[in-house]
Amino acid sequence: QSVLTQPPSVSAAPGQKVTISCSGSSSNIGNNSVSWFQKLPGTAPKLLIYDSNKRPSGIPDRFSGSKSGTSASLGITGLQTGDEADYYCGTWDSSLTAGLFGGGTKLTVL
Amino acid sequence: EVQLVQSGAEVKKPGESLKISCQGSGYTFTSYWIGWVRQMPGKGLEWMGIVYPGDSDTRYSPSFQGQVTISADKSINTAYLQWSSVKASDTAIYYCARLTGSAIRGRFDYWGQGTLVTVSS
Repeated sequence: QSVLTQPPSVSAAPGQKVTISCSGSSSNIGNNSVSWFQKLPGTAPKLLIYDSNKRPSGIPDRFSGSKSGTSASLGITGLQTGDEADYYCGTWDSSLTAGLFGGGTKLTVL
Repeated sequence: EVQLVQSGAEVKKPGESLKISCQGSGYTFTSYWIGWVRQMPGKGLEWMGIVYPGDSDTRYSPSFQGQVTISADKSINTAYLQWSSVKASDTAIYYCARLTGSAIRGRFDYWGQGTLVTVSS
């Protein structure tokens, strides 16, 4: 069981919007920045969001991040079939003095 | 261009030792932490630990402390992940990644291609 809790799966139709949540505690999300990663089968994870709501160069603005208290969210608008992947949140845990990933959420674009 | 190139796939028997590598290029290797991330078959990502090649400072997740050793050789821009005695449960893909931003609390921005480790008798 991950310290960071994500829903195992979400789904939506092409063109629609989806939100993936990541719930933690004051020792991790509550006091540290959150990153989001996209993991396609057979490829390395890709950074989508950092510092909770910033996008690296080259990441389309269809992807957005937010944080409130001890929870964070990844939003994806204008869903495309190519967005089907596993999505992971990540952050630092000040009590563990180690990084953490959420359990991952499988996105299905119906 | 920042690149992290990992060593090739490994097949080991239980009890054997193993060391996999991650060579960085396109940036100042000694100025960024390098981390290792495990993905077991059909499972999620797990943060294992990080090393700062500048002074070889290392930090481990409690889950991996004592199970693996993370190191770096700054003379050849390479980080390592090693086991003294592998187990079947070490079968996984291992990724290295560069940490950037707020030092050890930063984000992994560049990733290696992954190294598949298979442990089987």
